[in-house]
Amino acid sequence: KNQVEQSPQSLIILEGKNCTLQCNYTVSPFSNLRWYKQDTGRGPVSLTIMTFSENTKSNGRYTATLDADTKQSSLHITASQLSDSASYICVVTRNTGKLIFGQGTTLQVKP
Amino acid sequence: GAGVSQTPSNKVTEKGKYVELRCDPISGHTALYWYRQSLGQGPEFLIYFQGTGAADDSGLPNDRFFAVRPEGSVSTLKIQRTERGDSAVYLCASSLSGDLGPLHFGNGTRLTVT
Repeated sequence: KNQVEQSPQSLIILEGKNCTLQCNYTVSPFSNLRWYKQDTGRGPVSLTIMTFSENTKSNGRYTATLDADTKQSSLHITASQLSDSASYICVVTRNTGKLIFGQGTTLQVKP
Repeated sequence: GAGVSQTPSNKVTEKGKYVELRCDPISGHTALYWYRQSLGQGPEFLIYFQGTGAADDSGLPNDRFFAVRPEGSVSTLKIQRTERGDSAVYLCASSLSGDLGPLHFGNGTRLTVT
């Protein structure tokens, strides 16, 4: 079954600290993997997109990694800010174009 | 507006009624997706259009759900005989080509079936 699983389900960190979110998938055949940030009441906003051949991609304080062999991805947030509080969703695209979403990790950054 | 626009932003309807949800994608985007998101959950795929045709409608839960995109731009998601379990936020997203391009999401339509 094509699935995307994220961990942890929720996370609380102090402002300025780093954190890493995990995404494991069983989707096949694989086309690309995306990380999204979703603020409450808003649609998801793209952070990174990685294809099979890419191992890492950065977008400001966000760095995503991908291990296509183990089918694992991580999103590392550096020097967290209060505005980073949101849900982070991992999305895997099959080569048919269908996107499969993870349940998301809810991050809360406290002052 | 340069973004994906969804209307209405909120819709309250009675069980058994028919509803239509509209999505205006970014101009020139050929790929359009519909998702629904329940509270605390990630979006659940419903249907994917490439141009005017539904490339993948495997996410539509049953035959009460139908979506069209007659001219390859605006799309309408139609729900017949609504049930309370249909209550969710319905999200629309578009992308330029449907593969590697970033998805641009609307803010969704919150549907409440009473």
